[in-house]
Amino acid sequence: DGGITQSPKYLFRKEGQNVTLSCEQNLNHDAMYWYRQDPGQGLRLIYYSQIVNDFQKGDIAEGYSVSREKKESFPLTVTSAQKNPTAFYLCASSGTGNQPQHFGDGTRLSIL
Amino acid sequence: EDQVTQSPEALRLQEGESSSLNCSYTVSGLRGLFWYRQDPGKGPEFLFTLYSAGEEKEKERLKATLTKKESFLHITAPKPEDSATYLCAVQAGGGYQKVTFGTGTKLQVIP
Repeated sequence: DGGITQSPKYLFRKEGQNVTLSCEQNLNHDAMYWYRQDPGQGLRLIYYSQIVNDFQKGDIAEGYSVSREKKESFPLTVTSAQKNPTAFYLCASSGTGNQPQHFGDGTRLSIL
Repeated sequence: EDQVTQSPEALRLQEGESSSLNCSYTVSGLRGLFWYRQDPGKGPEFLFTLYSAGEEKEKERLKATLTKKESFLHITAPKPEDSATYLCAVQAGGGYQKVTFGTGTKLQVIP
């Protein structure tokens, strides 16, 4: 079945550590996105990529980095510069035009 | 700036008690309005896309409608399994497919 796979489901970060969240899709979508979800807030866009080897900052990119070396993969690194990383992270993908985004089941990141 | 406001924040219904969720939006050049369902600890699940005022979409007990300023998600005779958070999102015109999400309505259906 086509879909979006995020891993791990739970992740713990120590002080000063970088961690990487995985996102893989087999929907053949060109565009991929990373969002952060905090209680009581709407989804906030971290980074997006419309094509391989190209990506753009979203509304809250500070302290995060991404790469898009393959169409299927869009990993997110939460760096030590992100001072408040505890959140639920969601990866999404979409086709071209005004097609809806489809989401993975998220990674919950916590601080040790 | 694009804005999406959902109301109410939370809604508790008895099984079989129909109701509606509201999504008010301000966007320059609406390209699409999306409804999602999100269960605890899961990613949002796509339900509907509406593209123009007057459009309606249905799926089982859910019906989504769209006007120039708001969208409604009508839930007819809900069941406990309809309990979830329902998210509304809008996509504006322009080159990039930016989508703005509301904060959701948390629906609880009591048996």
